Amino acid sequence: GQSLEQPSEVTAVEGAIVQINCTYQTSGFYGLSWYQQHDGGAPTFLSYNALDGLEETGRFSSFLSRSDSYGYLLLQELQMKDSASYFCAVGGNYQLIWGAGTKLIIKP
Amino acid sequence: DAGVIQSPRHEVTEMGQEVTLRCKPISGHNSLFWYRQTMMRGLELLIYFNNNVPIDDSGMPEDRFSAKMPNASFSTLKIQPSEPRDSAVYFCASSLIAGTSYEQYFGPGTRLTVT
Repeated sequence: GQSLEQPSEVTAVEGAIVQINCTYQTSGFYGLSWYQQHDGGAPTFLSYNALDGLEETGRFSSFLSRSDSYGYLLLQELQMKDSASYFCAVGGNYQLIWGAGTKLIIKP
Repeated sequence: DAGVIQSPRHEVTEMGQEVTLRCKPISGHNSLFWYRQTMMRGLELLIYFNNNVPIDDSGMPEDRFSAKMPNASFSTLKIQPSEPRDSAVYFCASSLIAGTSYEQYFGPGTRLTVT
């Protein structure tokens, strides 16, 4: 079967660094994507890793290890506006397989 | 570009009524996806189209649901008859499938409440 595992909730302090992990078991892997969704909003694209290694986009970084079927999203210098749900998704056969999402709670 | 456009943004209807949700994808995108999101089940892919052709509708819950894409700029998701358990936020997303790009652009969603 196909599945993605990510923590349901993560809590961090404003200004800190937080890592959200994602492990996957899928057929036809083409890459790992991350999306952010604020309450009441729509998912928005954050990053995509097709190859092993770290991709950095401003305060956000995403990592992929294909051999370990594992990736993570790293958020630095956390701001209150980063409070949201974060989804990992695996690409395969022209569609995405989605994780259940991680709710990030940021405390001042 | 205006992004993915969905209408209506909110829909409240009574059980048994027909509901039609509409979506206009981003111009030039060749793939369109319909998702449903609830607290209990998370984000579920219902159906996706590539070049206006339905590729996979295995996520459509039952025959009460149907989707069409008559042209590259318009798609509908219809529920007939609607039931209270259909209450959810329905998202439409579009993407330009080229190589291994999987960036999907979501519309604002339609919040459906069936009473």
